[in-house]
Amino acid sequence: SQQGEEDPQALSIQEGENATMNCSYKTSINNLQWYRQNSGRGLVHLILIRSNEREKHSGRLRVTLDTSKKSSSLLITASRAADTASYFCATDRTGANSKLTFGKGITLSVRP
Amino acid sequence: EPEVTQTPSHQVTQMGQEVILRCVPISNHLYFYWYRQILGQKVEFLVSFYNNEISEKSEIFDDQFSVERPDGSNFTLKIRSTKLEDSAMYFCASSDSLETQYFGPGTRLLVL
Repeated sequence: SQQGEEDPQALSIQEGENATMNCSYKTSINNLQWYRQNSGRGLVHLILIRSNEREKHSGRLRVTLDTSKKSSSLLITASRAADTASYFCATDRTGANSKLTFGKGITLSVRP
Repeated sequence: EPEVTQTPSHQVTQMGQEVILRCVPISNHLYFYWYRQILGQKVEFLVSFYNNEISEKSEIFDDQFSVERPDGSNFTLKIRSTKLEDSAMYFCASSDSLETQYFGPGTRLLVL
């Protein structure tokens, strides 16, 4: 598999449920970021977690990072129909001015 | 809230023609990037730019591609002689020293 592989590839849930998306990577990282992309639109930054952090919260988002397993998870609590989008994890290796390596993304559908 | 802007939003061109994609990064940012996303595929890094020079480029970024920061605000990507396989969504991103990369809405390029 490649750097920044998310699973599942597609997730369909009912509004109000929690959505958990996972990402695995292969090489050592400096930061891991999660982005959202609505169909055919730009990438919206959601949250950044550093390699020395284990968990981070932002509103309804909770991100965890396990560097020993080279994996991260994004939890969206109390999902809304507006959360329907593709979600990508992206890693960088050296911090500022470092390229991001993206996964293929997870398509989340939240049914009203 | 400051944001990255890109023009045009859509561009259709004939194979072999030159295109210039324009970006206005967030004003106090120092690091600039171009990425592309072929339809249905993952976002791929093209090039990063800092202090008026290329910091890193990918294998995709061959001699047909160039970047420029012609003034204090614009950041451009030029494709000298477009190929069919250059059809993609092109994203500009910028960041400050805090490492989060903020993406523009993208330019959808279609090469016929």
